[in-house]
Amino acid sequence: DIVLTQSPGTLSLSPGDRATLSCWASQSVTNNYLAWYQQKPGQAPRLLIYGISNRATGIPDRFSGSGSGTDFTLTISRLEPEDFAVYYCQQYGGSPPGFIFGPGTTVDVK
Amino acid sequence: QVQLQESGPGLVKPSQTLSLTCTVSGASISSGGYYWTWVRQNPGKGLEWIGYIYYTGNTYFSPSLKSRVTISRDTVNNKFSLRLTSVSATDTAVYYCGRQSRGVDIDLWGQGTLVTVSS
Repeated sequence: DIVLTQSPGTLSLSPGDRATLSCWASQSVTNNYLAWYQQKPGQAPRLLIYGISNRATGIPDRFSGSGSGTDFTLTISRLEPEDFAVYYCQQYGGSPPGFIFGPGTTVDVK
Repeated sequence: QVQLQESGPGLVKPSQTLSLTCTVSGASISSGGYYWTWVRQNPGKGLEWIGYIYYTGNTYFSPSLKSRVTISRDTVNNKFSLRLTSVSATDTAVYYCGRQSRGVDIDLWGQGTLVTVSS
């Protein structure tokens, strides 16, 4: 089974800082099927990035995704107050194919 | 504007069946090439995909839940539903319905509904 690992578990930063979140897959991600979600307390997740690097509708350009193979990164160039949240990576694939989510990275205020 | 709304009992007894419905507005669940999905989140934990129903009616489930899950649809009322049998406390979670436009990510989510399994 494919496993996604996210690092760090918690990232403590200040508004205006740059945030770099990592996601590793135990096997190579096929067809660029790697996405990122943001979740705030009491809310549903929100799709940020799909296909490794494509921003979803309405997502500000301070969010960017990159990577290939088994190593992926979500970067928030300058943290806004509303960006403090939990971030999950998600992969589609495997045998049999399905959705796998990473355990999440919490970005909180330093 | 497409919206999804979960509904169903908030409390289910152990060994019984959990049943939830997702009402979709602004789009037809039987057209458009979309997948309609269920995801859950145990309290304070991460996300777990349950399964989806394609616009054609075909379904696919997480291997870990496959033996207990059914996803069906009501095209007349534009709803799709989740049934999870033989529940236990570990099935206590917020259950989300969602839409997969590209099939491989979830671009639209309902607000979620908490289901507690307890006697």
